[in-house]
Amino acid sequence: KQEVTQIPAALSVPEGENLVLNCSFTDSAIYNLQWFRQDPGKGLTSLLLIQSSQREQTSGRLNASLDKSSGRSTLYIAASQPGDSATYLCAVSSGSARQLTFGSGTQLTVLP
Amino acid sequence: ETGVTQSPTHLIKTRGQQVTLRCSSQSGHNTVSWYQQALGQGPQFIFQYYREEENGRGNFPPRFSGLQFPNYSSELNVNALELDDSALYLCASSLGFRTGPNEQFFGPGTRLTVL
Repeated sequence: KQEVTQIPAALSVPEGENLVLNCSFTDSAIYNLQWFRQDPGKGLTSLLLIQSSQREQTSGRLNASLDKSSGRSTLYIAASQPGDSATYLCAVSSGSARQLTFGSGTQLTVLP
Repeated sequence: ETGVTQSPTHLIKTRGQQVTLRCSSQSGHNTVSWYQQALGQGPQFIFQYYREEENGRGNFPPRFSGLQFPNYSSELNVNALELDDSALYLCASSLGFRTGPNEQFFGPGTRLTVL
């Protein structure tokens, strides 16, 4: 059974800092890994998708890496802004339906 | 291009009742997955529909059932509601679960409260 863990559960940083969110998964037989952002009471916004054959993906100030063999991914956010405050969820696609298994998220607060 | 839409936005039911939630997939997407997100937790996979057939199911009882229509929209039905069914229900669509990156795009969710 696939299990996903995200550390830390919560993080508070001053504006402008660079930060790293961590995600680990137990079964390396994945198709891809997605990072999502969720604002309170809202749906999920896809930030980055890394296919199992890739090592990293970049979008603007975001960079995600994947080490499938060790079951780890990191999301790097450069020059954080108050608008980045949200919960960040990591999810891996595995199983016959390629369903997503999610971590519990990291709640990020960027202080002005 | 229209994104994933869900209705209703909020719903309040009492224990024992039945509920139907609806989802319209993103244009061109033939696969719909449903997830349940309890407060403070990550979403959990309920089931997936591909071309009108159930394609996979998570650890949810049979009182959770679904449908997918020829236009790829989908319904989630929950019978005999329990208090623990209170959650945000999320629908995600993707293009063909067997090929390509299978990136899933999520709707805004339906907040279900069971009293």
